[in-house]
Amino acid sequence: DIQMTQSPSSLSASVGDRVTITCRASQSITSYLSWYQQRPGKAPKLLIYSDSTLHSGVSSRFSGSGSGTDFTLTISSLQPEDFAVYYCQQSFSTPYTFGQGTKLLIK
Amino acid sequence: EVQLVETGGGLIQPGGSLKLSCVVSGFPVSSNYMIWVRQAPGKGLEWVSIIYNDGTTHDADSVKGRFTISRDHSKNTLYLQMNSVRAEDTAVYYCARRGNWGCFDYWGQGTLVTVSS
Repeated sequence: DIQMTQSPSSLSASVGDRVTITCRASQSITSYLSWYQQRPGKAPKLLIYSDSTLHSGVSSRFSGSGSGTDFTLTISSLQPEDFAVYYCQQSFSTPYTFGQGTKLLIK
Repeated sequence: EVQLVETGGGLIQPGGSLKLSCVVSGFPVSSNYMIWVRQAPGKGLEWVSIIYNDGTTHDADSVKGRFTISRDHSKNTLYLQMNSVRAEDTAVYYCARRGNWGCFDYWGQGTLVTVSS
């Protein structure tokens, strides 16, 4: 199975800050990497797929980069609604696996 | 408008069975790859099963032989038959569509399954 490791596990930031979350795969997944946002009590929401393609309707504050085994999600200027949990996920091979999540907290 | 609505969750005793449904509107279930993902209370996301457009399926090892994913073209509905459930199957179960590059682009709101005696 491909293991996905996110860092940090939690992150405190302020509105307007730029933040970066990293995700590392245990083997190459080429560009089969997606990022999701999950607010409390809600379903996950797709932000980015193919490591850098913004899903329809998602704010351009979100961007992704990387390929192979190392990936990043960047939020350019945090807004109040961005404080949530973020997950990376590989779809290179089954079992599809997620990172453990990064909780973005208000400082 | 795309909508996925899960139903069927509830309290079930260990060893029991339960069938979850996911009614889809906005795209045909049979033409798409559909998946189930679960989330135990306070935990992360875990992929459970996938059904491909040709009808073949693939399950996570944790549910293999106990859970079965299926679909009904006429009802445009996805199912998850859960048998021999265990306490560790307690989770919110989400259905979703697998889209481009394997992403999960549309999700339901989830249904809670609690396994307890």
